[in-house]
Amino acid sequence: ETGVTQSPTHLIKTRGQQVTLRCSSQSGHNTVSWYQQALGQGPQFIFQYYREEENGRGNFPPRFSGLQFPNYSSELNVNALELDDSALYLCASSLFHPGGTDTQYFGPGTRLTVL
Amino acid sequence: GESVGLHLPTLSVQEGDNSIINCAYSNSASDYFIWYKQESGKGPQFIIDIRSNMDKRQGQRVTVLLNKTVKHLSLQIAATQPGDSAVYFCAEARDYKLSFGAGTTVTVRA
Repeated sequence: ETGVTQSPTHLIKTRGQQVTLRCSSQSGHNTVSWYQQALGQGPQFIFQYYREEENGRGNFPPRFSGLQFPNYSSELNVNALELDDSALYLCASSLFHPGGTDTQYFGPGTRLTVL
Repeated sequence: GESVGLHLPTLSVQEGDNSIINCAYSNSASDYFIWYKQESGKGPQFIIDIRSNMDKRQGQRVTVLLNKTVKHLSLQIAATQPGDSAVYFCAEARDYKLSFGAGTTVTVRA
């Protein structure tokens, strides 16, 4: 086990609703990254948070947003849910250092189903 | 025996044999490369990583080889066990993000 926890485990929403997913990073880590993994595919980078600010973003629309808190935990918010948002959402924690981050360790994920 | 080849979406291996999983990457500027194992219903689990200035690194029963000339990465698993059945992803790391490959599903035959 990595020490990265995510909640909830599973979630069912309907199209147009909003959702908030939560992540607690591994002890000693200060950076949280979020990934979306569609069925049968590799994870796709959404964004990363460091020092409570977005540190980088992948090719996802603005309705995907996030927060990082002083204890390094993080939230992923998705507004106006679409059917294609159904996926496993993964949080990964790591230790930031100049020039890039260290190895990212993943949590178990939140399975989101949009009906 | 061993299973070697170009990137394949699936790999079936006899228990006790060695496995080789291949991966091609695209970004010459990647800082380092990581192999993850993902079991059904779980998040990716770190196996081993290798910095871009290295060409080989060994762990417990696993070896990663990096060929920067042809942008190719491989993971070798020695004496494959039933618990090695999973999807294996290679990922390249640059700056703040990981970019994942398509994944190879490894099935271990008893």
